[in-house]
Amino acid sequence: DGGITQSPKYLFRKEGQNVTLSCEQNLNHDAMYWYRQDPGQGLRLIYYSQIVNDFQKGDIAEGYSVSREKKESFPLTVTSAQKNPTAFYLCASSIGLAGATGELFFGEGSRLTVL
Amino acid sequence: AQSVTQPDIHITVSEGASLELRCNYSYGATPYLFWYVQSPGQGLQLLLKYFSGDTLVQGIKGFEAEFKRSQSSFNLRKPSVHWSDAAEYFCAVGGNNRKLIWGLGTSLAVNP
Repeated sequence: DGGITQSPKYLFRKEGQNVTLSCEQNLNHDAMYWYRQDPGQGLRLIYYSQIVNDFQKGDIAEGYSVSREKKESFPLTVTSAQKNPTAFYLCASSIGLAGATGELFFGEGSRLTVL
Repeated sequence: AQSVTQPDIHITVSEGASLELRCNYSYGATPYLFWYVQSPGQGLQLLLKYFSGDTLVQGIKGFEAEFKRSQSSFNLRKPSVHWSDAAEYFCAVGGNNRKLIWGLGTSLAVNP
């Protein structure tokens, strides 16, 4: 079945450590996204990518980095520079940019906790 | 500035009762409007979308939404709620820069 796979589902990190969240899709979608979700704050866009080897900052990119070396993969690194990294992270993909088509396909999320 | 407002943070309804979740938007042109649902600890799933044409849109799981341009609203409705509908519901609008703008969500609880 086609879909988006995020791993790990739960991750614990010590302060000062970088951590990478994996996102893989087999939907053949061009666009991929990373969102951060905190209670009561809805979804905030971290980074998005429309094509391989290109990505754009979203609204809260500071302290995060991404790469898009393959169409299927869009990993997110939460760096030690991110002041408050504890959150639920969602990866999504779409055929074109989501504002035009609106249909985002989401993974099941990764919950990161900083100890 | 473009924005989406979901006035109700939390709603509780009884199973079998009707439901209406409110969504208001601010957008300069004709918007693309969406409703997504999120079950606890899961990703989001598209319920329905409006691009143009008939202002009453049918979606999955028995949901519908009506676009009212004069009220800048896109309220989500369901005639009879099931316990499995308990979830978080998000309204979103397609913006000028073609990125989605999200509301903060409405949490729905269903009493047996």
